[in-house]
Amino acid sequence: SQQGEEDPQALSIQEGENATMNCSYKTSINNLQWYRQNSGRGLVHLILIRSNEREKHSGRLRVTLDTSKKSSSLLITASRAADTASYFCATGGANSKLTFGKGITLSVRP
Amino acid sequence: NAGVTQTPKFQVLKTGQSMTLQCAQDMNHEYMSWYRQDPGMGLRLIHYSVGAGITDQGEVPNGYNVSRSTTEDFPLRLLSAAPSQTSVYFCASSTWTGLGTDTQYFGPGTRLTVL
Repeated sequence: SQQGEEDPQALSIQEGENATMNCSYKTSINNLQWYRQNSGRGLVHLILIRSNEREKHSGRLRVTLDTSKKSSSLLITASRAADTASYFCATGGANSKLTFGKGITLSVRP
Repeated sequence: NAGVTQTPKFQVLKTGQSMTLQCAQDMNHEYMSWYRQDPGMGLRLIHYSVGAGITDQGEVPNGYNVSRSTTEDFPLRLLSAAPSQTSVYFCASSTWTGLGTDTQYFGPGTRLTVL
């Protein structure tokens, strides 16, 4: 069974707008990771946030983690057409497994 | 650095055939894993390894074997291919601290079709 569940399943926004994607999980984690996948390609790591961290930034990306609610959000600011991709959250626990959600399809309209 | 490489990129098999998907990394990563990706299912973990000589099962291990004789290589064997194994297979690697999985570096994938 998959740990992380992303929401929404699909998101369509205009270039320049912000995109917010959410991930919820069920059991305790050591870290939570976000990945991007362009069509037909492998996954690319975006951000890793550890369980003792609440917020991390990387360029136009901002990730928050609320362990009390077992949820995380990924914010992409000032989106570009090149941000069009699928986004996955993945949870890493103490069991040495990384479990992925089913992904969010983001479309950024020029 | 080549990163994580996978061969072949595409493969068509007939039901019952066996084959090995190759995965290699040149980053001296201890942790390596195999995932399959099916439409609407995200990525599901097949097998993983935390070092040479050590392997363990993931979420969907049935029908697949792995071995880890070197740090660099982590081949995935399909013993007797079935149409249900039609999928895109990704290999990934990362450092391993023993405290959980770290940033994963993915290969480009192998697209497998079983007729």
